[in-house]
Amino acid sequence: SAVISQKPSRDICQRGTSLTIQCQVDSQVTMMFWYRQQPGQSLTLIATANQGSEATYESGFVIDKFPISRPNLTFSTLTVSNMSPEDSSIYLCSVAGPSDNKQYFGPGTRLTVT
Amino acid sequence: GNSVTQMEGPVTLSEEAFLTINCTYTATGYPSLFWYVQYPGEGLQLLLKATKADDKGSNKGFEATYRKETTSFHLEKGSVQVSDSAVYFCALDYGGATNKLIFGTGTLLAVQP
Repeated sequence: SAVISQKPSRDICQRGTSLTIQCQVDSQVTMMFWYRQQPGQSLTLIATANQGSEATYESGFVIDKFPISRPNLTFSTLTVSNMSPEDSSIYLCSVAGPSDNKQYFGPGTRLTVT
Repeated sequence: GNSVTQMEGPVTLSEEAFLTINCTYTATGYPSLFWYVQYPGEGLQLLLKATKADDKGSNKGFEATYRKETTSFHLEKGSVQVSDSAVYFCALDYGGATNKLIFGTGTLLAVQP
């Protein structure tokens, strides 16, 4: 299994600012993923972050808005840039487990943009 | 493209009632199918999965069968408990070895004593 922590757990930010969300895993994993869950909607994949390469973004998401770092096999950050109220969501980090290939999810970061 | 549709909630049941949460999917190829659960205040957890047609996933008394002919993966439990109160998400993977998931909108289940 994999245990994932995220920081911060929640934040309230002003529009136009940026927030960086951290994701820490207790074991080395190849694939890390960032999802967004907007109010009342399902989870949507933002990007896949593999160590040693640039993140791969899904349709509708761009690097300028959601820059991602993946400096090692246990850590990743997602930045939500130039925020607007539409960015208010829960942002979740997930990983593919190192031995069982299941997906494990972090507790999420609840972001409110005012 | 690939998509998942699940029944809207909330679903409110009395303890020991029978539960069905419907889930249908649209996909090219042969995706794996999943049910995830999110208990209040906790992260998303894998509840069960099925990787091919006619497979039945089961865990904690919950079951779901991969029905290719009806493109469905309905979640069932014979007797729900208050502790089953949570949000349930149906999901499929993009296929291949990507590990990327497409989720349904989630169904809130509230079980009353």
